Amino acid sequence: DTGVSQDPRHKITKRGQNVTFRCDPISEHNRLYWYRQTLGQGPEFLTYFQNEAQLEKSRLLSDRFSAERPKGSFSTLEIQRTEQGDSAMYLCASSSPLTGAVNEFSYNEQFFGPGTRLTVL
Amino acid sequence: GQSLEQPSEVTAVEGAIVQINCTYQTSGFYGLSWYQQHDGGAPTFLSYNGLDGLEETGRFSSFLSRSDSYGYLLLQELQMKDSASYFCAVSEDSNYQLIWGAGTKLIIKP
Repeated sequence: DTGVSQDPRHKITKRGQNVTFRCDPISEHNRLYWYRQTLGQGPEFLTYFQNEAQLEKSRLLSDRFSAERPKGSFSTLEIQRTEQGDSAMYLCASSSPLTGAVNEFSYNEQFFGPGTRLTVL
Repeated sequence: GQSLEQPSEVTAVEGAIVQINCTYQTSGFYGLSWYQQHDGGAPTFLSYNGLDGLEETGRFSSFLSRSDSYGYLLLQELQMKDSASYFCAVSEDSNYQLIWGAGTKLIIKP
């Protein structure tokens, strides 16, 4: 299967512990996004990479969250000192490079992984 | 602030047509996307509108009016497998990071 993969699929942790999630995007995709989704809500943007560069980070993201994509391939999302409010589904998505002129006609769909469900007790 | 409004739930009959509306208020606008998500599954892309008008992809169509900050997703010949949540999402710039609505749960009855 050559889709987006995430590991682990489920994580249960105690409040105050650190957790790290991994995302492996589709191999030729240079863009990688992290989102968080809680029940009954749409995904919330967390951060975005183009190759290894982290180009955008949500203003809502606390300093306890950090993401890396060291070689422009897989990415990790770490949450330090977890809180119960961090319980959510963490989704990773990737998209391929845009080619040609970039305008309102151009759009590369984001391919989502299955997510990592985090439960903080 | 940023907001996307869509109905929380829509019910329709198998074989019918249903329209899911989305109005948005964002600081920038580059395009409107629609994604489908089945319970426990990942979002999957359905359609994108960068300019005004209708985009058709099989049984699904999406419409955008930039002047009205409004779009809709039209699903035709509904099938039971279309039961899912449908999200509209705005990309504010060419980075395509998405701002999502809360989703519309589509319930299809036989």
